[in-house]
Amino acid sequence: GAGVSQSPRYKVAKRGQDVALRCDPISGHVSLFWYQQALGQGPEFLTYFQNEAQLDKSGLPSDRFFAERPEGSVSTLKIQRTQQEDSAVYLCASSRQTSGGYHEQFFGPGTRLTVL
Amino acid sequence: AQTVTQSQPEMSVQEAETVTLSCTYDTSENNYYLFWYKQPPSRQMILVIRQEAYKQQNATENRFSVNFQKAAKSFSLKISDSQLGDTAMYFCAFTLYGGATNKLIFGTGTLLAVQP
Repeated sequence: GAGVSQSPRYKVAKRGQDVALRCDPISGHVSLFWYQQALGQGPEFLTYFQNEAQLDKSGLPSDRFFAERPEGSVSTLKIQRTQQEDSAVYLCASSRQTSGGYHEQFFGPGTRLTVL
Repeated sequence: AQTVTQSQPEMSVQEAETVTLSCTYDTSENNYYLFWYKQPPSRQMILVIRQEAYKQQNATENRFSVNFQKAAKSFSLKISDSQLGDTAMYFCAFTLYGGATNKLIFGTGTLLAVQP
């Protein structure tokens, strides 16, 4: 079956522009995660959804970052008034569920955001 | 708070040789999972191997094995019979067992180059 897909794969934005990054998780996966990976660094957790509920947004770096998953499937990460420090690869991951032990997170290819 | 440390930014190994990547972590919790992820140049993160902290036996997956030292909070990855396709960034990661989100905490990564 299809894996996690993300679009666009590359995005160039001028400082101050708003951007929207899309994630299509594996069908039937309840849990969805967003991570931010700066150049030369490991991914850092941004936010987590269980179905349509955003249960953890502790990793969002500022109130310019907003994520949603209105129907419990596709998710969008929105960044308002982008800054140069927002330049990074944004990774989406999905898993079957959270409860009952660990379920493997499957990652998408990421969206590389460059803010000029 | 949990942290993951990878002190080897880059490693190199000859094809068919064995290489060990190091990882240490810090947590006050007793039940958790540890992982090694591989991120090839295409950037799709792939799970290599997983270790449950309550298991004393070290996990193995074909040419990949771990040395899990719980008391020392050490979790190294051994790759035997290295292949050119093993060239990638390797991340050590941690998550709590039974945590609310199962979010992953990553180290900064080790870039492994397999030389022909």
